[in-house]
Amino acid sequence: GAGVSQSPSNKVTEKGKDVELRCDPISGHTALYWYRQRLGQGLEFLIYFQGNSAPDKSGLPSDRFSAERTGESVSTLTIQRTQQEDSAVYLCASSLAPRSPSNEQFFGPGTRLTVL
Amino acid sequence: AQKVTQAQTEISVVEKEDVTLDCVYETRDTTYYLFWYKQPPSGELVFLIRRNSFDEQNEISGRYSWNFQKSTSSFNFTITASQVVDSAVYFCALRGSNYKLTFGKGTLLTVNP
Repeated sequence: GAGVSQSPSNKVTEKGKDVELRCDPISGHTALYWYRQRLGQGLEFLIYFQGNSAPDKSGLPSDRFSAERTGESVSTLTIQRTQQEDSAVYLCASSLAPRSPSNEQFFGPGTRLTVL
Repeated sequence: AQKVTQAQTEISVVEKEDVTLDCVYETRDTTYYLFWYKQPPSGELVFLIRRNSFDEQNEISGRYSWNFQKSTSSFNFTITASQVVDSAVYFCALRGSNYKLTFGKGTLLTVNP
């Protein structure tokens, strides 16, 4: 499979628990993005990784959210002490370097998070 | 600040009708990119098209066509002879001088047989 993959596809958790969401980008894509899509809404930018540069965390809604990426491979998004308002689909995307002419972002299938 | 507005929340048509999805954007960047994505019920976002701000030529791809008008800051998407498989949420997005995509709220298109 050459696309972006995400796991798990669905996650149900209880309020207050921590969750970890995983993203495997397309091989060779140096840029990786996380977005959140609340029900009936567009996508909200959360965080961006580009190569070994410091990530842009400006979209993270609170300090309960964090993300890591090892080199140019897998990324994990962690939400601590989950709240019901964290319920959403979390989408990961990857692209070639953003300044490349072919810089469209390719999205994974998302992880649907439900916080009870 | 960047903004993308998709004024149509939901559109319902009958198969074979033509349908246009509107997108209006705001940006202060002189160089920017506009995108359309399709999100079928399965949830995965499918890239449809990218246009840069210097290329105002309209584009046609099969039953899909896009009308980019800088003068009105619009990038509308038309599906000709719609089919049931076109039913999805369609998102318009803008990328300015940085790497962030700003999305509209999406238009839910339902094509009825």
